[in-house]
Amino acid sequence: SYELTQPPSVSVSPGQTATITCSGDKLGDKYACWYQQKPGQSPVLVIYQDTKRPSGIPERFSGSNSGNTATLTISGTQAMDEADYYCQAWDSTTYYVFGTGTKVTVL
Amino acid sequence: EVLLLESGGGLVQPGGSLRLSCAASGFTFSMYAMNWVRQAPGKGLEWVSAITGSGGSTFYPDSVKGRFTISRDNSKNTLYLQMNSLRAEDTALYYCAKTPGSNAFDIWGQGTMVTVSS
Repeated sequence: SYELTQPPSVSVSPGQTATITCSGDKLGDKYACWYQQKPGQSPVLVIYQDTKRPSGIPERFSGSNSGNTATLTISGTQAMDEADYYCQAWDSTTYYVFGTGTKVTVL
Repeated sequence: EVLLLESGGGLVQPGGSLRLSCAASGFTFSMYAMNWVRQAPGKGLEWVSAITGSGGSTFYPDSVKGRFTISRDNSKNTLYLQMNSLRAEDTALYYCAKTPGSNAFDIWGQGTMVTVSS
């Protein structure tokens, strides 16, 4: 089965850049997307098709995907960005796969 | 406004059954594939099932295949998940989510909690 691996946690200072990685076999050959989930809330799509931002998502969220790694970058991180982040991809045999999740802490 | 509203969760004994519903509004329901995604307490997200806009094709991960059945009634703008032979490990918050065609989930409901326990 297809698996996506993320670091359990990332810490970042306010105003700095947070980088969250998502690793999977030949992930760059698939489309990756990213979700933000705050405590007690439903997930929110922040990046789809590797680099695209849905309407209403701030420009400080950006994505990339190449080789075996997709990356979510939060530039100028704000306290409101503290949340869990999940990557997700679609695989022809496993269908929809989520990453293990990363807790972003803004110190 | 696009909305998804789940219902039908509750406490059920191991081996029991439950049917979840998801009422959709604010978009042309029949045009979009729909999914169920679950999250066990304190854990990550797990995709549970998908159905095409017409309802003609369905998809499941091995963890629920043969036990869960996804369906939809486009005349009622409603998505369903029939869950049979429930196990303790099926305990989770169940979300319905819309797929716009980019293999991502762009709209999520608020979830309905399913607890499997004796």
